[in-house]
Amino acid sequence: AQTVTQSQPEMSVQEAETVTLSCTYDTSENNYYLFWYKQPPSRQMILVIRQEAYKQQNATENRFSVNFQKAAKSFSLKISDSQLGDTAMYFCAFMVNTDKLIFGTGTRLQVFP
Amino acid sequence: ETGVTQTPRHLVMGMTNKKSLKCEQHLGHNAMYWYKQSAKKPLELMFVYSLEERVENNSVPSRFSPECPNSSHLFLHLHTLQPEDSALYLCASSQDNWGDEKLFFGSGTQLSVL
Repeated sequence: AQTVTQSQPEMSVQEAETVTLSCTYDTSENNYYLFWYKQPPSRQMILVIRQEAYKQQNATENRFSVNFQKAAKSFSLKISDSQLGDTAMYFCAFMVNTDKLIFGTGTRLQVFP
Repeated sequence: ETGVTQTPRHLVMGMTNKKSLKCEQHLGHNAMYWYKQSAKKPLELMFVYSLEERVENNSVPSRFSPECPNSSHLFLHLHTLQPEDSALYLCASSQDNWGDEKLFFGSGTQLSVL
């Protein structure tokens, strides 16, 4: 079965600091896509970053970057220079080929001033 | 402007009621989705529509009935729900249903079944 595990239900970080959210997944496929979505209190899920499994280079989007370890099936999200607006639920997800998107249970991140 | 609009934002209904959730996307996308989000559980894909045709139904009980009259609108008709159906129902859209497409989500309808 294809699964996504987020082992940290809650995390906190001080403003301007760096935080890393962990995600592991399980699949026997070789080609797939990995995502991090953010869900702020407004409830609207927003794509933060996307990684193709065939690419070795880690994806980056401004203050957000990933550490993709394909052999370990790990896909962590690093948020640098944390801002109060980063407070949200963060969901890791992956998709094999054209199959459905599989989500983890989420990590609630609180950024403190 | 979020691009994907869901109404109502909150809904409380009894188990014998009939209600409908509405989703509208203003992005010109061809695929639309319904997801169920329950506390401490992964998002569950319920239905997928591509070009107004249902392409996926993940064994959802028949008390949930989707409708996609055109590529911009998606409904979820609710009938004789159970308390365990209480959850946040999210609508999403994407350009196509080709797998690696970026999903755009609405803000959801928080449903409480009494």
